[in-house]
Amino acid sequence: EPEVTQTPSHQVTQMGQEVILRCVPISNHLYFYWYRQILGQKVEFLVSFYNNEISEKSEIFDDQFSVERPDGSNFTLKIRSTKLEDSAMYFCASNLAGFPYEQYFGPGTRLTVT
Amino acid sequence: GIQVEQSPPDLILQEGANSTLRCNFSDSVNNLQWFHQNPWGQLINLFYIPSGTKQNGRLSATTVATERYSLLYISSSQTTDSGVYFCAATSGSRLTFGEGTQLTVNP
Repeated sequence: EPEVTQTPSHQVTQMGQEVILRCVPISNHLYFYWYRQILGQKVEFLVSFYNNEISEKSEIFDDQFSVERPDGSNFTLKIRSTKLEDSAMYFCASNLAGFPYEQYFGPGTRLTVT
Repeated sequence: GIQVEQSPPDLILQEGANSTLRCNFSDSVNNLQWFHQNPWGQLINLFYIPSGTKQNGRLSATTVATERYSLLYISSSQTTDSGVYFCAATSGSRLTFGEGTQLTVNP
């Protein structure tokens, strides 16, 4: 069964550094998402992406975040200058045709900012 | 945006017991999903259920969209069922998650 994959599974970085989290969505999916979960809290939406454009973003997704689909398979989330409060689990998701279809989640990348 | 509330926040069961988890949402939805977060933090898709009833083994789910709630039933619980259960709903492209139900199943 096809699945969403994410790399790395765990990333440790120092405050102020740039990080890129990588995702490979399911191959025929057209809509891509990033969510994050701070430890002990609920999962929060960051951004949705379709046709090489951001289609929706949350208040969390400020200028330090960016997303890109650099090739036909990868979908990335970049955090330009990490802060301690960016420490969280980041989930990538994809689906075939946007809402209302089921979103398929990857296993997550745990980001620790020291 | 849509609000999603889950109850109870915590649930402790003995192995073999049955349980019902509830998810209320504040507006009409076109997508509702249930997830199980395992001890490694992964979100496991359980059900995509914007309406109706589905069953998968010992788990089943029902969504009554007109009354804005969904229920997740776990029968004959096992210790491996422990973890956090999230429901998430959307009326647009973003999934809005509830706070989750922390389930502990004791042997």
